[in-house]
Amino acid sequence: AQTVTQSQPEMSVQEAETVTLSCTYDTSENNYYLFWYKQPPSRQMILVIRQEAYKQQNATENRFSVNFQKAAKSFSLKISDSQLGDTAMYFCAFMLRGNTPLVFGKGTRLSVIA
Amino acid sequence: GAGVSQSPSNKVTEKGKDVELRCDPISGHTALYWYRQSLGQGLEFLIYFQGNSAPDKSGLPSDRFSAERTGGSVSTLTIQRTQQEDSAVYLCASSPGTANTEAFFGQGTRLTVV
Repeated sequence: AQTVTQSQPEMSVQEAETVTLSCTYDTSENNYYLFWYKQPPSRQMILVIRQEAYKQQNATENRFSVNFQKAAKSFSLKISDSQLGDTAMYFCAFMLRGNTPLVFGKGTRLSVIA
Repeated sequence: GAGVSQSPSNKVTEKGKDVELRCDPISGHTALYWYRQSLGQGLEFLIYFQGNSAPDKSGLPSDRFSAERTGGSVSTLTIQRTQQEDSAVYLCASSPGTANTEAFFGQGTRLTVV
């Protein structure tokens, strides 16, 4: 079975600074996908960024980028120029190729401080 | 509708009563997921529907939990003889069903068992 571990229950960052959220996962499979989801207080889960395991290039989406280390099974999220609206729970998720259910970590609560 | 719709938004029920939670996925999405999010926790997989295939029920915590999906669209999650530990936010998501596609989430139903 696949597992996802987020070792930082809570983090805080000053507005306009950079923060990195950690995620590690465990799988014996080779073809899979990784995701970061954001959950603000509204409870709405929003996809932030995704990474295909077969791609070596790290995904980027505006201020959000990942550091994907396949051998180490690590998938960290970097948020640059943090904004107050980035305050939320962030969940790392794993999905095997073949459209199987997403497996989530326990989340990191990020607070952006003015 | 434009997104995944869940109803009711909030439900308070007495211990021992049955409850039904509804999910309307995005039109045309063949995959539908139910997750449970307890206070301060990550998302716990419950059940997964994909097209006409038999659902993956491996995450259902007990036989008090069941779900159905009628006509490949609307899904209902039923909890019988509710217990206080069933109190949580129940999230539904849908996706187009092809590999590496984003799962779109509803805003969830907050269930409180008193």
